[in-house]
Amino acid sequence: DAGVTQTPRHEVAEKGQTIILKCEPVSGHNDLFWYRQTKIQGLELLSYFRSKSLMEDGGAFKDRFKAEMLNSSFSTLKIQPTEPKDSAVYLCASSSDTSNERLFFGHGTKLSVL
Amino acid sequence: QQQVRQSSQSLTVWEGETAILNCSYENSAFDYFPWYQQFPGEGPALLIAIRSVSDKKEDGRFTIFFNKREKNLSLHIKDSQPGDSATYFCAASNMGYKLTFGTGTSLLVDP
Repeated sequence: DAGVTQTPRHEVAEKGQTIILKCEPVSGHNDLFWYRQTKIQGLELLSYFRSKSLMEDGGAFKDRFKAEMLNSSFSTLKIQPTEPKDSAVYLCASSSDTSNERLFFGHGTKLSVL
Repeated sequence: QQQVRQSSQSLTVWEGETAILNCSYENSAFDYFPWYQQFPGEGPALLIAIRSVSDKKEDGRFTIFFNKREKNLSLHIKDSQPGDSATYFCAASNMGYKLTFGTGTSLLVDP
């Protein structure tokens, strides 16, 4: 079984640019999560999909962050416009069970905004 | 407000010692508490988990001790090895809904 695949591994953007991060969950998994990871805040939930329906859009991140699940095997996270404070690692995770007792994470995308 | 708190940002132990990582939480409704382990350049991976009906869960060298009354738990890593050097995240959820993560504890095991 392939794990969660995230692309690109690294992204460098200028302030104000639009960037799109991609995620392919584990095949057959129904739940998909986007997290932002920083040393200060740890793992913060950005979006949560269940069977392609948006269950949570991360409150404070609604403004410039938009996650979409185009089909059950592909999701994108768009940040528009980017700001330097968005520099972080963005992690995608998927889960096969409704209890979400085990999340499978991708390697993440390291975003640097100059 | 952090709903799940990890008291130490970093911890260093000698090889062979027992590393103890602490975690506390706010929400009494949380009933599932996994610990995730993350190595540099990788995503977190589930290490061990406990439900609120238990007070102890053991898996090899890793043990979770859980205190429901005090709303805290700890991860004990017995006979620590350099390969255990990683960041450990405590997390919690209520009835299978989304996990809330702590900020992580970076463990260094000195050989």
